[in-house]
Amino acid sequence: SQQGEEDPQALSIQEGENATMNCSYKTSINNLQWYRQNSGRGLVHLILIRSNEREKHSGRLRVTLDTSKKSSSLLITASRAADTASYFCATDALNAGGTSYGKLTFGQGTILTVHP
Amino acid sequence: DAGVIQSPRHEVTEMGQEVTLRCKPISGHNSLFWYRQTMMRGLELLIYFNNNVPIDDSGMPEDRFSAKMPNASFSTLKIQPSEPRDSAVYFCASSQQGLSGNTIYFGEGSWLTVV
Repeated sequence: SQQGEEDPQALSIQEGENATMNCSYKTSINNLQWYRQNSGRGLVHLILIRSNEREKHSGRLRVTLDTSKKSSSLLITASRAADTASYFCATDALNAGGTSYGKLTFGQGTILTVHP
Repeated sequence: DAGVIQSPRHEVTEMGQEVTLRCKPISGHNSLFWYRQTMMRGLELLIYFNNNVPIDDSGMPEDRFSAKMPNASFSTLKIQPSEPRDSAVYFCASSQQGLSGNTIYFGEGSWLTVV
């Protein structure tokens, strides 16, 4: 089963609107990351939030993390047509000993379409 | 830096043929990952190496798949014999463990079609 599951699966908005994507996960984590994938390309890292952080900003991106609910959200403000892509959350899970497995597990992604 | 380099970018092969995908990680990175992406299953981790040693190969689907990392700058993923259900995009990624919270950097992928 997927460690990270995003919703919605697809989101269609107009340029200038905000886009919010959510991610839920199942285990304790070291950190959670968001990646972007343009069609036909590899994934590109956007932002990382550590388990002891609640909110983080980077440009038009805002990420929140609620470890009690095992969920995260990615907000893209003032969206642009160029933001059209798939967005994935990925978790760096902790093992029973409390250390990182050293690998990322990705969710199924949210397909974002921003109409000009 | 050139980033993670994968080859070939596209391959079409016939069922039963051997397929070899190649990857050059970012210089200085000590972890390398092979992922497979399909519409049905999303992005799956097949195997990852740390300091050239395979750490977790639990995602390798079956014995037809094998991966090697003979040195810090090169890895291969081999499928022998290939089957149509192996058609997917195969991504190689690398990271510097311990820095940047294990952020990983992806190549552009190898698009495999088995007919």
